[in-house]
Amino acid sequence: GAGVSQSPSNKVTEKGKDVELRCDPISGHTALYWYRQRLGQGLEFLIYFQGNSAPDKSGLPSDRFSAERTGESVSTLTIQRTQQEDSAVYLCASSLALIGGGSDTQYFGPGTRLTVL
Amino acid sequence: QKEVEQNSGPLSVPEGAIASLNCTYSDRGSQSFFWYRQYSGKSPELIMFIYSNGDKEDGRFTAQLNKASQYVSLLIRDSQPSDSATYLCAVTGGFKTIFGAGTRLFVKA
Repeated sequence: GAGVSQSPSNKVTEKGKDVELRCDPISGHTALYWYRQRLGQGLEFLIYFQGNSAPDKSGLPSDRFSAERTGESVSTLTIQRTQQEDSAVYLCASSLALIGGGSDTQYFGPGTRLTVL
Repeated sequence: QKEVEQNSGPLSVPEGAIASLNCTYSDRGSQSFFWYRQYSGKSPELIMFIYSNGDKEDGRFTAQLNKASQYVSLLIRDSQPSDSATYLCAVTGGFKTIFGAGTRLFVKA
């Protein structure tokens, strides 16, 4: 079946503009994660969603970042008033469930490369 | 602060050798342990996961878990140049997955 998809694949924006990144998880996956990866760095957890539970927003770096998810489908990550430090690859991943039996394996999308000029 | 630590490398091994990648974690309640491979400019892809103490083998890859020592490793036998990538250790516990910063592996032909 289809994997995790993300759009756009690349986004170039000017400092101060708002951007919206989209993630389509694998069908049936209840858990969805957003990560940020700066060039040459590891994965930085941003937020996750699990079913209808309140999302864990503990990784969001500032109030300029927000994310939404409609049920168990599409998620959007919004960055307001972008700064040059926001330039990174934003990765989305989904899994069947949070913990146990292999169902917590995360499958990653191709990422959105964001460049803030 | 729950942490997952990896040696950043680069780890350089000759073709055909065994590459050994190591990871330690701080949360004793961790339940699931994963190894991902990430090629430059690509997304992480799962190599294997392990839940129980001991070894788990899948082809040329063997994951080893020691919960008492809070240590998980990945062995790659008969290393190939195509194995050159960054290897990410990930640990799940407390309803959160934490990734290590990754170890860069370079396999010399």
